[in-house]
Amino acid sequence: NAGVTQTPKFQVLKTGQSMTLQCAQDMNHEYMSWYRQDPGMGLRLIHYSVGAGITDQGEVPNGYNVSRSTTEDFPLRLLSAAPSQTSVYFCASSRKTGTGANVLTFGAGSRLTVL
Amino acid sequence: GQQLNQSPQSMFIQEGEDVSMNCTSSSIFNTWLWYKQDPGEGPVLLIALYKAGELTSNGRLTAQFGITRKDSFLNISASIPSDVGIYFCAGQVTGGSEKLVFGKGTKLTVNP
Repeated sequence: NAGVTQTPKFQVLKTGQSMTLQCAQDMNHEYMSWYRQDPGMGLRLIHYSVGAGITDQGEVPNGYNVSRSTTEDFPLRLLSAAPSQTSVYFCASSRKTGTGANVLTFGAGSRLTVL
Repeated sequence: GQQLNQSPQSMFIQEGEDVSMNCTSSSIFNTWLWYKQDPGEGPVLLIALYKAGELTSNGRLTAQFGITRKDSFLNISASIPSDVGIYFCAGQVTGGSEKLVFGKGTKLTVNP
């Protein structure tokens, strides 16, 4: 019962490099999302998906791409990393409760540093 | 867009003290959630509130869904060292976008 698994846990990139943060969940959740956490800024939504094949932008989508080819996986791609993307990234998934509420389960986070 | 104002930003308390934090918004929410984040970990759900006026407890934690649906508070009684962490509130408008709006967090430090 792994829940939400994020890899890698730590990553250092140089400006301009590309990389993919992986996220997988084994709870058969339809909804998945990516947040970034910066000091004093709380959690800000980057992209989200309500099901396989469907993605949409959140509050801070610029510089990031996502795709959702399966229910289980929701990778986040940085095509050309910038120092402003230094942050801690969290993947989260959710079941819908009987009230329709979106109760998120978070992964442990991926700490990214861009030099 | 929708924003949540969470206060206080940080708290320094002695073990055994009670703690209170709150979130307010200019928007109406149908769901309020409270999460705790331990250092180096992802946020974990503490309490979920689904109805205006609802008061829910989880051990030493008590949270309420404001009657106006624009606010919520979280109380922690008899704090212990393991209560240290960042507490986030989150609101959702059910039936529309599934997106949650998060507060900026309250950082709690408990001195033994």
